[in-house]
Amino acid sequence: EVQLVESGGGLVQPGRSLKFSCAASGFTFSDYAMAWVRQAPKKGLEWVATIIYDGSSTYYRDSVKGRFTISRDNAKSTLYLQMDSLRSEDTATYYCARHDYYSGFDYWGQGVMVTVSS
Amino acid sequence: DVVMTQTPVSLPVSLGGQASISCRSSQSLVHSNGNTYLHWYLQKPGQSPQLLIYRVSNRFSGVPDRFSGSGSGTDFTLKISRVEPEDLGDYYCLQSTHFPPTFGAGTKLELK
Repeated sequence: EVQLVESGGGLVQPGRSLKFSCAASGFTFSDYAMAWVRQAPKKGLEWVATIIYDGSSTYYRDSVKGRFTISRDNAKSTLYLQMDSLRSEDTATYYCARHDYYSGFDYWGQGVMVTVSS
Repeated sequence: DVVMTQTPVSLPVSLGGQASISCRSSQSLVHSNGNTYLHWYLQKPGQSPQLLIYRVSNRFSGVPDRFSGSGSGTDFTLKISRVEPEDLGDYYCLQSTHFPPTFGAGTKLELK
């Protein structure tokens, strides 16, 4: 059974940093691209970033480019998101998702809440 | 970015009835490889999104055949027949043909 379990998150002040992780199991992690998708409170879904299977390429939405870094450790089957220079508009639940080329985001974690506020 | 327009925003249904959700894209979702990367998700209250339909009309593992997807080019539809209580929630379409991947704003399926 595919499982994605995020950890981290919490309350952080504007301009500060936060890093959280997503532990994967139930599939060969190193075979798949992975992504972060976020959902602001009472809002819709928004893709944030994707990293390909071996970590050699990463992709970001414009609003987080230069501030967020997606990375992975295939030996630990773990995905990360480092968020720097946080803004209030980054407040959201962040979901880890397996990013399959043919079927989109096919498995999702339970999400981790990030609140950016002073 | 490709804009995905979902209608209606809210869809009241009766249990056992049928529901239809539309998703239109601002440009064709046909990839140069011939595939169309349009997918549908359901987010039940308090839960993570779950994949229902991928590439227009393919049901994901474990998804009942009450769910069906159709469409082509820029115009797509998700149909739910014999609506059950566990079908209630927010439905989203996603395109991943063009970068960046973009979602529709969502349709809330609720009881009439």
